[in-house]
Amino acid sequence: SQKIEQNSEALNIQEGKTATLTCNYTNYSPAYLQWYRQDPGRGPVFLLLIRENEKEKRKERLKVTFDTTLKQSLFHITASQPADSATYLCAPGNYGQNFVFGPGTRLSVLP
Amino acid sequence: KAGVTQTPRYLIKTRGQQVTLSCSPISGHRSVSWYQQTPGQGLQFLFEYFSETQRNKGNFPGRFSGRQFSNSRSEMNVSTLELGDSALYLCASSPTDAGRGGYTFGSGTRLTVV
Repeated sequence: SQKIEQNSEALNIQEGKTATLTCNYTNYSPAYLQWYRQDPGRGPVFLLLIRENEKEKRKERLKVTFDTTLKQSLFHITASQPADSATYLCAPGNYGQNFVFGPGTRLSVLP
Repeated sequence: KAGVTQTPRYLIKTRGQQVTLSCSPISGHRSVSWYQQTPGQGLQFLFEYFSETQRNKGNFPGRFSGRQFSNSRSEMNVSTLELGDSALYLCASSPTDAGRGGYTFGSGTRLTVV
């Protein structure tokens, strides 16, 4: 069955540094992969979608890579700020099918 | 434009009762999905509706059911509540397929079963 892993349950970094979060999947060939941010008690917020034929995607301070050979996506936040502290979820998927969310990584950016 | 609206925000029910949760998607969105989120299991997919038809279903018992109306509004129902059903229930909508541009989630309904 499909399995999705995110590198660590929690990640602490200093303000201004680059945060790198990892999403690995097995027994799956997704056509795309999405990243979401979730704050406590709130629903996830969509951040970025990257398709299998795209190697990299950027949006402001965010960068996502997608390596279908390694079955891995990396999510980077550059010049991190305390306001970036949240749980980040990855979700590989295929069109017309429900997608499965990873367990999430709780990021804390320390001032 | 208005976001995804879920009602009620909080709910306390007793074991054995049933509950109905409501979701109003973004105007024009035809796909509505439901997720259950618990600290131990994370986000678990319940089902997806598209144009009033269930398009996908997760691995939950038959006590969990849903429907979608012609205006795309959706409801989910849980019958014979168990303590383990306590969770944050999230509704998400997209125009057609979340793979085209992601889901927009509501703030959720926090269900507590006592």
